[in-house]
Amino acid sequence: DQQVKQNSPSLSVQEGRISILNCDYTNSMFDYFLWYKKYPAEGPTFLISISSIKDKNEDGRFTVFLNKSAKHLSLHIVPSQPGDSAVYFCAASRHAGGTSYGKLTFGQGTILTVHP
Amino acid sequence: EAQVTQNPRYLITVTGKKLTVTCSQNMNHEYMSWYRQDPGLGLRQIYYSMNVEVTDKGDVPEGYKVSRKEKRNFPLILESPSPNQTSLYFCASSPYSSSYNEQFFGPGTRLTVL
Repeated sequence: DQQVKQNSPSLSVQEGRISILNCDYTNSMFDYFLWYKKYPAEGPTFLISISSIKDKNEDGRFTVFLNKSAKHLSLHIVPSQPGDSAVYFCAASRHAGGTSYGKLTFGQGTILTVHP
Repeated sequence: EAQVTQNPRYLITVTGKKLTVTCSQNMNHEYMSWYRQDPGLGLRQIYYSMNVEVTDKGDVPEGYKVSRKEKRNFPLILESPSPNQTSLYFCASSPYSSSYNEQFFGPGTRLTVL
């Protein structure tokens, strides 16, 4: 049972344009959402996150949008750069505390390629 | 430099030969976890540890063991590896102060079981 889904295995965009990566979840108990970025031969690195009490969080070129009613979040990268080419994982968690602490449920990942 | 290290980075072994993948973090994090990454499945949690001597199963614990005798180390043990454990493994750690459960990942260990 895949509770976090990234339905697009890959995305290709032109440098300077917007990249939009999508993620859907089924568990309404999730209240924190994170995006990780992974380059080949490296571990995932944290990119940006959002709490369920917000609908938008921005950090430079990266913005995450959360639509709780649709159980959908998206990551926007504007403008896209060739160095953004990587695998992007969406992850979800419940509020820190008790036995739920630290459990991240990941999506399958989306390979983003930004062409010069 | 704050980091999570894993050893070995690459390992080819045969079915049934016990192996250990080490994981160490120098950030004094309480929480540590092991994941495996497989094509089309993303990262799935194997085991996690809330603190020294406290470990629990994740989503795919079968065939794995862990121990947490020291805060900095969290080794993953495969007592009798099988080909379906061929995968890319990541260790991660996190401080309790992280509200978002942000985790710091090691560089990965690519394991092949023949």
